Amino acid sequence: KAGVTQTPRYLIKTRGQQVTLSCSPISGHRSVSWYQQTPGQGLQFLFEYFSETQRNKGNFPGRFSGRQFSNSRSEMNVSTLELGDSALYLCASSAHGTGFNYGYTFGSGTRLTVV
Amino acid sequence: TQLLEQSPQFLSIQEGENLTVYCNSSSVFSSLQWYRQEPGEGPVLLVTVVTGGEVKKLKRLTFQFGDARKDSSLHITAAQPGDTGLYLCAGVGNRDDKIIFGKGTRLHILP
Repeated sequence: KAGVTQTPRYLIKTRGQQVTLSCSPISGHRSVSWYQQTPGQGLQFLFEYFSETQRNKGNFPGRFSGRQFSNSRSEMNVSTLELGDSALYLCASSAHGTGFNYGYTFGSGTRLTVV
Repeated sequence: TQLLEQSPQFLSIQEGENLTVYCNSSSVFSSLQWYRQEPGEGPVLLVTVVTGGEVKKLKRLTFQFGDARKDSSLHITAAQPGDTGLYLCAGVGNRDDKIIFGKGTRLHILP
């Protein structure tokens, strides 16, 4: 069965622009979580969605937002990009709500570079 | 703030050797997971431990959750080049539902 699909794989944006990243979870999975991974901070939790509702949120500024659609696909948006937003953004899906406890399946990520 | 400290940060050993990496915290976790991540890919779940003192084995990998659920270890027997990768531990806090990842141990097995 298809895994977690993230698009695009690579993205270069200019400071001040906004960006939208997409994640298609494994078919039948209803929980989608987003993480930011940087060499200095490691993996940091952004937010989790289940059945179109945000269930949990990390400590990121309001420039970071997300949503989930009725087909469980999810998007995250970062507005007013800063150089420090350069990172690998990972999406993880799980069959259950509070997905972490049941084990995530991660996508390959979107590498965002802000110049 | 709950933290997961992983040690060592980097480890490079010869094929066939044994190794142990650690994941420590001063906080209690309700569950803890280990993932392996290879370059250009997302992390892949290896194991979930829930009960204090729990030991799980996955072929040559042995995972242990501390009795107090504050720490965990991963032991690899007879390491192989295919074990190379970034090993991450992650936990859910006992006091809240915040999900925390350690920064990882980067393991390199030399053939």
